[in-house]
Amino acid sequence: SQQGEEDPQALSIQEGENATMNCSYKTSINNLQWYRQNSGRGLVHLILIRSNEREKHSGRLRVTLDTSKKSSSLLITASRAADTASYFCATALLKSGFQKLVFGTGTRLLVSP
Amino acid sequence: DAGITQSPRHKVTETGTPVTLRCHQTENHRYMYWYRQDPGHGLRLIHYSYGVKDTDKGEVSDGYSVSRSKTEDFLLTLESATSSQTSVYFCAISDRQPNTEAFFGQGTRLTVV
Repeated sequence: SQQGEEDPQALSIQEGENATMNCSYKTSINNLQWYRQNSGRGLVHLILIRSNEREKHSGRLRVTLDTSKKSSSLLITASRAADTASYFCATALLKSGFQKLVFGTGTRLLVSP
Repeated sequence: DAGITQSPRHKVTETGTPVTLRCHQTENHRYMYWYRQDPGHGLRLIHYSYGVKDTDKGEVSDGYSVSRSKTEDFLLTLESATSSQTSVYFCAISDRQPNTEAFFGQGTRLTVV
């Protein structure tokens, strides 16, 4: 079964609005990462938050992590049409020092002009 | 963009035939991964490598084998392709474990008929 589950599965907003996506996971993690995938392309890394961090910012992105609830959220502020993509959370599990990334099923974001 | 090249980008093959997908990187990263992406399942890890000739199984490894004879190349082989292996396959690389992002290739769309 998937380690991470994103919510909602799909999100449709207007340009300028904020978009919030949530990720829940099941086991202890070393870090949590968010990726973006444009249609027909590979995934692109957005941001990494370590298990001892609670919040992280990168440009218009804000990520929070609540390890007690095993959940994370990705906020995209002032969305643009170019933000239209699928967004995936990936939990990093450590095995003998090796980081294994386990992906969720993703949130499809549509930003309309 | 990270130097990752997947080949072929598209392939149609018949059930029962062997298929090899290639991932080539120019980043000299130690870790390489093969994922498959299917609707409703997100990305699932097939196999990964933590060095030349060092590989291990992921969560969906049945029917797949891998080889890594050089740092830059990671091959995924379907010994006898089945229709259930129709998918989009992504190669990823990473370095400086743990707490590091992964870089993804553009994907290979494989159709087994």
